[in-house]
Amino acid sequence: RKEVEQDPGPFNVPEGATVAFNCTYSNSASQSFFWYRQDCRKEPKLLMSVYSSGNEDGRFTAQLNRASQYISLLIRDSKLSDSATYLCVAGGGGTSYGKLTFGQGTILTVHP
Amino acid sequence: DGGITQSPKYLFRKEGQNVTLSCEQNLNHDAMYWYRQDPGQGLRLIYYSQIVNDFQKGDIAEGYSVSREKKESFPLTVTSAQKNPTAFYLCASSQTSGGFSEQFFGPGTRLTVL
Repeated sequence: RKEVEQDPGPFNVPEGATVAFNCTYSNSASQSFFWYRQDCRKEPKLLMSVYSSGNEDGRFTAQLNRASQYISLLIRDSKLSDSATYLCVAGGGGTSYGKLTFGQGTILTVHP
Repeated sequence: DGGITQSPKYLFRKEGQNVTLSCEQNLNHDAMYWYRQDPGQGLRLIYYSQIVNDFQKGDIAEGYSVSREKKESFPLTVTSAQKNPTAFYLCASSQTSGGFSEQFFGPGTRLTVL
């Protein structure tokens, strides 16, 4: 079983749609959680950190459910520029001390 | 201008040759990391370093070597023992060690073995 698992997609949505990505992690001792965005042939860039209380940044909302070991990302009012691969990340605890583990990514394509 | 630099952007190597990829950061970050990404795949951890003069193997360390003699530098050598070295190599750093803080990435080096 992979430490961090994501639905690879692709998700194809029209502009203005709301789309949700889910992710599960296997290491219950994980302490830190993030979502990254990676454009084609570029480096990953931090989108947002994920906190137990949930957090929002404009059109993006992230949620963490420690009991179910589940992380989510919600994108509202999708833009063409949101097209990218979204990486779920967990780490920092137990056997993951000192490192982060990246999921394989979920591909999002937003079309006109 | 603070950030992480990697050089070169593209690198071509003949089979049997060792090659060293550069990674430098001026963010004063404690920890640095090397990842490999293959087409359509996620990031796989090669080596990481939480402090100067110390580093640990990641999930796919075989055929690679690193050093951390200075806080700002973490070069990666791809040796001839690495059987399938063609990939996109990404270096990252984080402010603190332990894996508790976000990582910031350099622009990457694309290595092609001819």
